Amino acid sequence: RKEVEQDPGPFNVPEGATVAFNCTYSNSASQSFFWYRQDCRKEPKLLMSVYSSGNEDGRFTAQLNRASQYISLLIRDSKLSDSATYLCVVNPQTGANNLFFGTGTRLTVIP
Amino acid sequence: ETGVTQSPTHLIKTRGQQVTLRCSSQSGHNTVSWYQQALGQGPQFIFQYYREEENGRGNFPPRFSGLQFPNYSSELNVNALELDDSALYLCASSHGGRGWDTEAFFGQGTRLTVV
Repeated sequence: RKEVEQDPGPFNVPEGATVAFNCTYSNSASQSFFWYRQDCRKEPKLLMSVYSSGNEDGRFTAQLNRASQYISLLIRDSKLSDSATYLCVVNPQTGANNLFFGTGTRLTVIP
Repeated sequence: ETGVTQSPTHLIKTRGQQVTLRCSSQSGHNTVSWYQQALGQGPQFIFQYYREEENGRGNFPPRFSGLQFPNYSSELNVNALELDDSALYLCASSHGGRGWDTEAFFGQGTRLTVV
């Protein structure tokens, strides 16, 4: 089983739509959770960290459900510039301090 | 710009050859991690260096090796290249080493093609 699993999409949505991405992780002891954004042929960039209490940054809301080992990202009022691949990322902090990435969910916002 | 630079940006090598990729970490960062990203996949952890010592390794064979220098820049070496090594190689710089205490900043990557 993969450490992090997410629906690869693609998600094609019209401008202004609300879209939600989900992912699950396998290691129940995982400590830190993130969403990264990766534009085509570019490096991943941190979009936001994910906390158990949920957190919001403008049009973006992230949620963590530790009991279900489930992470979500909600994007409201989609913009053309939101088109990218969104990577669900988990740091198990088992000593190696590495990040486990999902395969990414590709989003295209259509005019 | 993240301040993390990788070189070269693109590289074409022949199967069986050796390659060295380089990464300059962001100022003030002492930890460098290397990732391999195959087409259509998420990055996969290769290894991490913290203060010049290996601090964890992913599921990659020994022909993937690395080095970190006193200025915290790093190299990734791959021997006996195989076609499946074709990928984007990403370097991530952070400060800490005992937990993901600070945000990891990625370089733009080196796109390696093995023919």
